[in-house]
Amino acid sequence: GESVGLHLPTLSVQEGDNSIINCAYSNSASDYFIWYKQESGKGPQFIIDIRSNMDKRQGQRVTVLLNKTVKHLSLQIAATQPGDSAVYFCAEMGVNAGGTSYGKLTFGQGTILTVHP
Amino acid sequence: DAGVTQSPTHLIKTRGQHVTLRCSPISGHKSVSWYQQVLGQGPQFIFQYYEKEERGRGNFPDRFSARQFPNYSSELNVNALLLGDSALYLCASSKDYGGGKTQYFGPGTRLLVL
Repeated sequence: GESVGLHLPTLSVQEGDNSIINCAYSNSASDYFIWYKQESGKGPQFIIDIRSNMDKRQGQRVTVLLNKTVKHLSLQIAATQPGDSAVYFCAEMGVNAGGTSYGKLTFGQGTILTVHP
Repeated sequence: DAGVTQSPTHLIKTRGQHVTLRCSPISGHKSVSWYQQVLGQGPQFIFQYYEKEERGRGNFPDRFSARQFPNYSSELNVNALLLGDSALYLCASSKDYGGGKTQYFGPGTRLLVL
């Protein structure tokens, strides 16, 4: 069935390093992808999104890369800070009308990012 | 501006009871979605509502139901609670319904069923 998965369940980095979190998706009809950050006891927080007609999108300290050929998504965090420690989820959504997936986000398992001072 | 708000923040129920969870979307957002997040997993889609109509349903039993009000707030109802219903219930809002619309999440309601 449809799934969005992450290669690495945990990632530990030193403060100031760059972090890369990876995500694989299996639904080739996915047209929209979002990265969320979830801190303990809180709801997922929107970080950045990308549509399937793009390969790269940059935000403040974050970059999302999309490789449709291999169905791979990554989140790069520059100069990682202790406040970046959280669980990171990628989520995908289809944009075509029809079917139960329309407007529905499908989440991956999540990657735990730990930043050491 | 206020984000998505949910109430209550925590709730303890016993098996067989009924629960109602509430959500107020971001001002100007017309679509509300509900997700269940079991500890250690990503959120799972339950429902999406837009203009008071159900627009999507996930793979959840009929014990789960929801509705959306004219002010776009929403309620999630769960009947005949089971131990396995213990989870964080998340509400997300988006400006419109459909694909490609960013969903913003509330803090969630943590439900414990004993």
